Amino acid sequence: EIQMTQSPSSLSAAVGDTVAITCRASQSISRYLNWYQQRPGKAPTLLLYDAHTLQGGVPSRFSGSGSGTDFTLTISNLQPEDFGTYYCQQTYASAFLTFGGGTHVEIK
Amino acid sequence: QVTLKESGPVLVKPTETLTLTCSVSGFSLTNPRMGVSWIRQPPGKALEWLGYIFSTDEKAYATSLTTRLTISMDTSSSQVVLTMTNMDPVDTATYYCARHLRAVAGPSRYSWFDPWGQGTRVTVSS
Repeated sequence: EIQMTQSPSSLSAAVGDTVAITCRASQSISRYLNWYQQRPGKAPTLLLYDAHTLQGGVPSRFSGSGSGTDFTLTISNLQPEDFGTYYCQQTYASAFLTFGGGTHVEIK
Repeated sequence: QVTLKESGPVLVKPTETLTLTCSVSGFSLTNPRMGVSWIRQPPGKALEWLGYIFSTDEKAYATSLTTRLTISMDTSSSQVVLTMTNMDPVDTATYYCARHLRAVAGPSRYSWFDPWGQGTRVTVSS
Protein backbone atom coordinates (compact mmCIF):
# COMPACT_ATOMS: atom_id res chain seq x y z
CA GLU A 1 0.00 0.00 0.00
CA ILE A 2 1.28 3.45 -0.92
CA GLN A 3 1.52 5.70 2.15
CA MET A 4 0.82 9.40 1.80
CA THR A 5 2.33 11.76 4.38
CA GLN A 6 1.21 15.34 4.64
CA SER A 7 2.97 18.18 6.41
CA PRO A 8 2.39 20.18 8.39
CA SER A 9 -0.54 18.56 10.15
CA SER A 10 -1.87 22.01 10.95
CA LEU A 11 -1.00 25.62 10.27
CA SER A 12 -2.26 29.09 11.10
CA ALA A 13 -1.98 31.95 8.65
CA ALA A 14 -3.39 35.41 8.08
CA VAL A 15 -5.68 36.55 5.32
CA GLY A 16 -3.54 37.47 2.34
CA ASP A 17 -0.73 35.08 3.21
CA THR A 18 0.60 32.37 0.93
CA VAL A 19 0.64 28.89 2.44
CA ALA A 20 2.11 25.64 1.20
CA ILE A 21 1.06 22.11 2.11
CA THR A 22 3.26 19.21 1.17
CA CYS A 23 2.37 15.61 0.44
CA ARG A 24 4.96 12.87 0.15
CA ALA A 25 4.33 9.43 -1.31
CA SER A 26 6.13 6.32 -0.09
CA GLN A 27 6.99 5.49 -3.71
CA SER A 28 6.86 7.29 -7.02
CA ILE A 29 3.31 8.00 -8.17
CA SER A 30 4.15 10.12 -11.22
CA ARG A 31 1.45 12.84 -11.19
CA TYR A 32 -1.47 10.67 -10.06
CA LEU A 33 -2.29 12.93 -7.16
CA ASN A 34 -5.47 14.77 -6.21
CA TRP A 35 -6.18 17.46 -3.61
CA TYR A 36 -9.44 17.93 -1.70
CA GLN A 37 -10.72 20.61 0.67
CA GLN A 38 -13.01 19.77 3.57
CA ARG A 39 -14.71 22.55 5.48
CA PRO A 40 -15.89 21.73 9.02
CA GLY A 41 -18.97 19.54 9.04
CA LYS A 42 -19.03 19.26 5.26
CA ALA A 43 -18.11 16.69 2.67
CA PRO A 44 -14.77 17.08 0.86
CA THR A 45 -14.66 18.82 -2.49
CA LEU A 46 -12.16 18.33 -5.31
CA LEU A 47 -9.63 21.12 -5.76
CA LEU A 48 -7.04 19.73 -8.17
CA TYR A 49 -6.40 16.48 -10.02
CA ASP A 50 -3.41 15.23 -11.97
CA ALA A 51 -1.29 17.05 -9.38
CA HIS A 52 -1.74 20.45 -11.02
CA THR A 53 -5.05 20.65 -12.93
CA LEU A 54 -7.54 22.97 -11.28
CA GLN A 55 -11.08 21.62 -11.03
CA GLY A 56 -13.67 23.86 -12.65
CA GLY A 57 -14.95 26.59 -10.36
CA VAL A 58 -11.97 26.44 -8.01
CA PRO A 59 -10.30 29.84 -7.52
CA SER A 60 -6.98 30.33 -9.26
CA ARG A 61 -5.29 31.16 -5.94
CA PHE A 62 -5.08 27.37 -5.49
CA SER A 63 -2.25 25.69 -7.36
CA GLY A 64 -0.52 22.35 -7.31
CA SER A 65 2.92 21.15 -8.28
CA GLY A 66 5.18 18.17 -8.04
CA SER A 67 5.68 14.71 -9.47
CA GLY A 68 7.21 11.46 -8.36
CA THR A 69 7.08 11.43 -4.58
CA ASP A 70 6.84 15.09 -3.56
CA PHE A 71 3.89 17.37 -4.12
CA THR A 72 2.79 20.80 -2.96
CA LEU A 73 -0.55 22.54 -2.69
CA THR A 74 -0.12 26.31 -2.58
CA ILE A 75 -2.82 28.73 -1.56
CA SER A 76 -1.99 32.31 -2.51
CA ASN A 77 -3.74 35.32 -1.02
CA LEU A 78 -5.42 33.19 1.65
CA GLN A 79 -9.09 34.02 2.13
CA PRO A 80 -11.32 33.44 5.20
CA GLU A 81 -13.31 30.79 3.32
CA ASP A 82 -10.13 28.74 2.83
CA PHE A 83 -10.11 27.44 6.40
CA GLY A 84 -10.62 23.72 6.73
CA THR A 85 -8.68 20.53 6.20
CA TYR A 86 -6.84 19.61 3.02
CA TYR A 87 -6.20 16.05 1.88
CA CYS A 88 -4.03 14.60 -0.84
CA GLN A 89 -4.94 11.31 -2.53
CA GLN A 90 -2.89 9.03 -4.74
CA THR A 91 -4.46 7.10 -7.60
CA TYR A 92 -1.28 5.53 -8.99
CA ALA A 93 -2.26 2.28 -7.33
CA SER A 94 -5.61 2.44 -9.08
CA ALA A 95 -7.16 -0.40 -7.10
CA PHE A 96 -5.69 0.66 -3.75
CA LEU A 97 -6.37 4.33 -3.32
CA THR A 98 -5.03 6.16 -0.28
CA PHE A 99 -5.37 9.57 1.31
CA GLY A 100 -2.90 11.60 3.30
CA GLY A 101 -3.53 12.34 6.95
CA GLY A 102 -4.78 15.85 6.28
CA THR A 103 -3.58 19.39 6.96
CA HIS A 104 -5.77 21.65 9.05
CA VAL A 105 -5.63 25.30 7.98
CA GLU A 106 -6.67 27.91 10.50
CA ILE A 107 -7.11 31.55 9.70
CA LYS A 108 -5.46 33.89 12.22
CA GLN B 1 -26.72 18.72 -11.56
CA VAL B 2 -24.88 15.71 -10.22
CA THR B 3 -25.87 14.63 -6.73
CA LEU B 4 -25.24 11.64 -4.50
CA LYS B 5 -27.00 10.86 -1.26
CA GLU B 6 -26.21 8.22 1.32
CA SER B 7 -28.88 6.52 3.39
CA GLY B 8 -28.93 3.81 6.02
CA PRO B 9 -29.04 3.18 9.75
CA VAL B 10 -27.63 5.66 12.21
CA LEU B 11 -26.88 3.01 14.82
CA VAL B 12 -25.78 -0.59 14.46
CA LYS B 13 -24.77 -3.11 17.09
CA PRO B 14 -21.39 -4.83 17.22
CA THR B 15 -21.23 -7.94 15.01
CA GLU B 16 -24.17 -6.74 12.93
CA THR B 17 -24.03 -6.07 9.19
CA LEU B 18 -24.17 -2.49 7.91
CA THR B 19 -25.98 -1.75 4.66
CA LEU B 20 -25.75 1.72 3.15
CA THR B 21 -27.28 2.93 -0.10
CA CYS B 22 -25.93 5.66 -2.34
CA SER B 23 -28.60 7.14 -4.62
CA VAL B 24 -27.20 9.09 -7.55
CA SER B 25 -28.71 11.53 -10.01
CA GLY B 26 -27.45 13.71 -12.82
CA PHE B 27 -25.22 11.05 -14.35
CA SER B 28 -25.55 7.48 -15.52
CA LEU B 29 -23.96 4.59 -13.68
CA THR B 30 -23.73 2.81 -17.05
CA ASN B 31 -21.12 5.31 -18.21
CA PRO B 32 -17.84 3.34 -18.09
CA ARG B 33 -15.93 6.48 -17.07
CA MET B 34 -18.08 7.01 -14.00
CA GLY B 35 -18.36 4.79 -11.00
CA VAL B 36 -18.88 5.22 -7.27
CA SER B 37 -16.39 5.07 -4.45
CA TRP B 38 -17.13 4.78 -0.76
CA ILE B 39 -15.01 6.65 1.78
CA ARG B 40 -15.33 6.92 5.53
CA GLN B 41 -14.08 9.31 8.18
CA PRO B 42 -13.99 8.43 11.90
CA PRO B 43 -14.74 11.39 14.16
CA GLY B 44 -11.81 13.81 14.11
CA LYS B 45 -9.75 11.59 11.84
CA ALA B 46 -8.65 11.40 8.23
CA LEU B 47 -10.44 10.07 5.19
CA GLU B 48 -10.20 6.37 4.42
CA TRP B 49 -11.07 4.96 0.99
CA LEU B 50 -13.15 1.79 1.26
CA GLY B 51 -13.78 0.63 -2.27
CA TYR B 52 -15.22 1.36 -5.70
CA ILE B 53 -17.44 -0.08 -8.38
CA PHE B 54 -17.96 0.58 -12.08
CA SER B 55 -20.69 -0.77 -14.34
CA THR B 56 -18.03 -2.71 -16.26
CA ASP B 57 -18.05 -5.03 -13.23
CA GLU B 58 -14.80 -3.59 -11.96
CA LYS B 59 -14.56 -3.52 -8.19
CA ALA B 60 -11.78 -2.88 -5.72
CA TYR B 61 -11.68 -2.89 -1.94
CA ALA B 62 -9.30 -1.54 0.66
CA THR B 63 -6.88 -4.28 1.64
CA SER B 64 -7.89 -4.20 5.30
CA LEU B 65 -11.58 -4.67 4.47
CA THR B 66 -11.66 -7.19 1.63
CA THR B 67 -13.14 -9.94 3.82
CA ARG B 68 -15.91 -7.71 5.24
CA LEU B 69 -16.90 -5.41 2.41
CA THR B 70 -19.13 -5.85 -0.61
CA ILE B 71 -20.16 -3.12 -3.04
CA SER B 72 -22.91 -3.68 -5.58
CA MET B 73 -24.67 -1.60 -8.18
CA ASP B 74 -28.20 -1.41 -9.55
CA THR B 75 -28.03 0.72 -12.67
CA SER B 76 -31.79 0.60 -13.22
CA SER B 77 -32.42 2.34 -9.90
CA SER B 78 -29.23 4.43 -9.97
CA GLN B 79 -28.10 3.04 -6.63
CA VAL B 80 -24.91 1.64 -5.21
CA VAL B 81 -25.01 -0.46 -2.05
CA LEU B 82 -22.25 -0.96 0.50
CA THR B 83 -22.44 -3.95 2.82
CA MET B 84 -20.00 -4.32 5.69
CA THR B 85 -20.18 -7.34 7.94
CA ASN B 86 -19.17 -7.86 11.56
CA MET B 87 -19.32 -4.22 12.55
CA ASP B 88 -17.15 -3.04 15.43
CA PRO B 89 -17.07 0.23 17.41
CA VAL B 90 -13.91 1.21 15.48
CA ASP B 91 -16.10 1.34 12.37
CA THR B 92 -17.97 4.33 13.83
CA ALA B 93 -17.59 7.03 11.20
CA THR B 94 -19.25 9.26 8.65
CA TYR B 95 -19.61 7.28 5.46
CA TYR B 96 -19.47 9.08 2.12
CA CYS B 97 -20.11 7.99 -1.43
CA ALA B 98 -18.59 9.93 -4.28
CA ARG B 99 -18.71 9.85 -8.05
CA HIS B 100 -15.49 8.23 -9.16
CA LEU B 101 -14.42 9.74 -12.47
CA ARG B 102 -11.65 8.39 -14.63
CA ALA B 103 -9.98 9.67 -17.76
CA VAL B 104 -10.79 6.66 -19.92
CA ALA B 105 -13.48 4.00 -20.15
CA GLY B 106 -11.43 1.36 -18.41
CA PRO B 107 -8.90 0.91 -15.62
CA SER B 108 -6.97 4.13 -15.28
CA ARG B 109 -4.61 5.76 -12.87
CA TYR B 110 -6.12 9.14 -13.78
CA SER B 111 -9.15 9.25 -11.56
CA TRP B 112 -10.72 11.52 -8.98
CA PHE B 113 -13.79 11.90 -6.78
CA ASP B 114 -16.30 14.58 -7.69
CA PRO B 115 -18.76 15.33 -6.28
CA TRP B 116 -19.27 13.72 -2.88
CA GLY B 117 -22.48 12.96 -1.06
CA GLN B 118 -23.27 14.78 2.15
CA GLY B 119 -22.27 11.75 4.22
CA THR B 120 -24.15 9.65 6.74
CA ARG B 121 -23.00 9.14 10.30
CA VAL B 122 -22.94 5.56 11.56
CA THR B 123 -22.36 4.69 15.20
CA VAL B 124 -21.51 1.16 16.27
CA SER B 125 -22.57 0.56 19.84
CA SER B 126 -24.50 -1.97 21.89
